[in-house]
Amino acid sequence: AQSVAQPEDQVNVAEGNPLTVKCTYSVSGNPYLFWYVQYPNRGLQFLLKYITGDNLVKGSYGFEAEFNKSQTSFHLKKPSALVSDSALYFCAVRDEFFGNEKLTFGTGTRLTIIP
Amino acid sequence: DTGVSQDPRHKITKRGQNVTFRCDPISEHNRLYWYRQTLGQGPEFLTYFQNEAQLEKSRLLSDRFSAERPKGSFSTLEIQRTEQGDSAMYLCASSAVVGRTDTQYFGPGTRLTVL
Repeated sequence: AQSVAQPEDQVNVAEGNPLTVKCTYSVSGNPYLFWYVQYPNRGLQFLLKYITGDNLVKGSYGFEAEFNKSQTSFHLKKPSALVSDSALYFCAVRDEFFGNEKLTFGTGTRLTIIP
Repeated sequence: DTGVSQDPRHKITKRGQNVTFRCDPISEHNRLYWYRQTLGQGPEFLTYFQNEAQLEKSRLLSDRFSAERPKGSFSTLEIQRTEQGDSAMYLCASSAVVGRTDTQYFGPGTRLTVL
């Protein structure tokens, strides 16, 4: 079984401050982890993924995420927030086992950047 | 690379009617996925194709739902005898395996409202 938890429904950050959106996961084997962003009335846009290797993953629009195996976490971060980062963010996980291709998503975190 | 497209973007129907949605994946992506997203939730996996073969179906996909990908290119999702509980955003994604895994790229979705 695979699952994802995003413990915060809403995160507010002042423009220019660093931001963190939290994600924890549970899988039977090794995880493949993803972050997506959703703007109003639009589909999901891929930001970044962790497959293996370096625990710090860099992605689009200046976002990065840190994989922590001991804490089973994959938090999304950005050093300096922009108002345009305001959106709904989803963490997703897939177990590495062959034949399991579906992504399991969290419930999402609404990020609001305050000017 | 034009991205994943879905048609229609919005569909309003009366309970009991049949509806069909279409998804055109990114060209040369051999995998295609359908997800359903309800308000306040993350996307939930419905079904997955590799080329024209439907390889996995979620228990969420009741007998009223059917999906096809007849030539391994576009896909259709049909819902028969719609119910109000079917109201949701239906998302399509496509991918191609590079290295150890694939990245799913999502279309803009079809928002279904059942009256």
